[in-house]
Amino acid sequence: DAGVIQSPRHEVTEMGQEVTLRCKPISGHDYLFWYRQTMMRGLELLIYFNNNVPIDDSGMPEDRFSAKMPNASFSTLKIQPSEPRDSAVYFCASSFPGQGGETQYFGPGTRLLVL
Amino acid sequence: AQSVAQPEDQVNVAEGNPLTVKCTYSVSGNPYLFWYVQYPNRGLQFLLKYITGDNLVKGSYGFEAEFNKSQTSFHLKKPSALVSDSALYFCAVRDMSRSGGGADGLTFGKGTHLIIQP
Repeated sequence: DAGVIQSPRHEVTEMGQEVTLRCKPISGHDYLFWYRQTMMRGLELLIYFNNNVPIDDSGMPEDRFSAKMPNASFSTLKIQPSEPRDSAVYFCASSFPGQGGETQYFGPGTRLLVL
Repeated sequence: AQSVAQPEDQVNVAEGNPLTVKCTYSVSGNPYLFWYVQYPNRGLQFLLKYITGDNLVKGSYGFEAEFNKSQTSFHLKKPSALVSDSALYFCAVRDMSRSGGGADGLTFGKGTHLIIQP
């Protein structure tokens, strides 16, 4: 299995530009999570989906952030417009709860730098 | 609300010695507990989890963790440290009473840098 795939791995952009991060979950996993990692705040949950439907987006910091999951194998996290404080590593993770006690498997992350 | 505390920013251990990375948690109901490891510029790798049953959980790379409900702790341990164990370790929790039988987001601790000295 290829694991969770994220692209791009690195993104450098200027303030005000639109940024789109992409994620392909592990095949068969029905939950997808987006996290953000910063030095100041650590790892934070932004939003998660179940069967392509957003379940909890209470961690999305502002209206500038949006996420979609048009099908079971693809999700995007968009920031428009981007700001320097959005600089962070963004992780996507997927899981298949099954009998419960689900394990989330993480992608390699996208390192975003907003200048 | 659920939370995780990793009281040590850094733990230094000599190679071959036992290691412990501490974690305490707070949830309203019963916890699902996890340990992940992160190497530089990499994603998080799953090490082990506690769901129910035996309080001593064994995981990858010789790591284990002991769930202690009375102390609300889930410390990570390894009998003999390797230099290659040097990394950033995260403890995470979720309240199993949330979201019915489905999944939920994890709450992570701040992480502990484990440094194994040759």
